[in-house]
Amino acid sequence: QSVLTQPPSASGTPGQRVTISCSGSSSNIGSNTVNWYQQLPGTAPKLLIYSNNQRPSGVPDRFSGSKSGTSASLAISGLQSEDEADYYCAAWDDSLNAYVFGTGTKVTVL
Amino acid sequence: EVQLVESGGGLVQPGGSLRLSCAASGFTFSSYSMNWVRQAPGKGLEWVSYISSSSSTIYYADSVKGRFTISRDNAKNSLYLQMNSLRAEDTAVYYCAREQSHESWGQGTLVTVSS
Repeated sequence: QSVLTQPPSASGTPGQRVTISCSGSSSNIGSNTVNWYQQLPGTAPKLLIYSNNQRPSGVPDRFSGSKSGTSASLAISGLQSEDEADYYCAAWDDSLNAYVFGTGTKVTVL
Repeated sequence: EVQLVESGGGLVQPGGSLRLSCAASGFTFSSYSMNWVRQAPGKGLEWVSYISSSSSTIYYADSVKGRFTISRDNAKNSLYLQMNSLRAEDTAVYYCAREQSHESWGQGTLVTVSS
């Protein structure tokens, strides 16, 4: 059972803005940075956002991350069809001494 | 270019053992910590284990503690996961990933535990 909670699904039309939430606790998001991953169908996950709001080289600036207290969010602006994927948040948990992933959110482009 | 290639997956009976390998190239393997992450069919991601660059620090998920052992050979640019006492619930695609941020991933290797 994951300790980071995400909505199971999110959707939008092309060009819209979609936001995905990630709720944790003081032992994970509250005291460590948050990373976000994108998993396209049938492929390995890919790092999308690291250290709460940093984009690796090659990730479009349509993707942005933020963190406040024990929650974090991923925003996708200007939604495109190729953004249809599963998205996971993750953070180190100091109590568990484990890296914990969120439950995952499936983004659908209508 | 960073490359991580997992191997060693396959079909194993409950209670059996398997050793996964992850061959690294395109970077100085000995300078980076590594992880194993798994994904059961149709399910989300589950972190399995972490090993520091020098092997001095190792962590495991509670679900595999006492059954799985992570190790690395920096001279061979390789990461390993020895899996013993396998259970049906260990069935998953196993990925290796670089650094605590999991910044690079392999393509995964499928482990199926079934009689």
